[in-house]
Amino acid sequence: NAGVTQTPKFQVLKTGQSMTLQCAQDMNHEYMSWYRQDPGMGLRLIHYSVGAGITDQGEVPNGYNVSRSTTEDFPLRLLSAAPSQTSVYFCASNPRQDTEAFFGQGTRLTVV
Amino acid sequence: AQKVTQAQTEISVVEKEDVTLDCVYETRDTTYYLFWYKQPPSGELVFLIRRNSFDEQNEISGRYSWNFQKSTSSFNFTITASQVVDSAVYFCALSKRGTYKYIFGTGTRLKVLA
Repeated sequence: NAGVTQTPKFQVLKTGQSMTLQCAQDMNHEYMSWYRQDPGMGLRLIHYSVGAGITDQGEVPNGYNVSRSTTEDFPLRLLSAAPSQTSVYFCASNPRQDTEAFFGQGTRLTVV
Repeated sequence: AQKVTQAQTEISVVEKEDVTLDCVYETRDTTYYLFWYKQPPSGELVFLIRRNSFDEQNEISGRYSWNFQKSTSSFNFTITASQVVDSAVYFCALSKRGTYKYIFGTGTRLKVLA
């Protein structure tokens, strides 16, 4: 049982490039989310989805897009990378409301 | 608005010492959930405990214990007889009932020295 799988684990981008961070879960969880972790700021919610076809913005959505075409996958797209998007990104899934989240291993992204 | 404060940025202790990590939260909701996660040097986030706002009973799991006090809006975490393997960043988080969204604190880095 793989849980939540994120790819890639590390990525370096040039300013202005676009890319997609992949997230897949095999636990049939309806809820999935993306967080970014920055030093001294904890984790902040970027976007979330409560099921296939449904997405919504979190606390820091600017510069990111998401889609949820299947229950398993929840990719995060950076449209035009900026140095301010240098961060560690975590994908998470929850089986139900009010439960703990299962996190992926994280993607460390550097934008130069 | 919801907020979680972990005022201790970094704590260093010597192995076998007891250590308490503080977590203070703010919310106007009557029903909410509190969580603790551990982030070891390898980087993943490991779930430790979930507590709902109606359950103020303290919890003990091995060397770990949690003290939830609604009167002071605190959910503190104590490690007894700390070990080097406890070295990690620990996050406290809050969620409103019926949602999937967490508000995380800024984390406390614990260093346990041999």
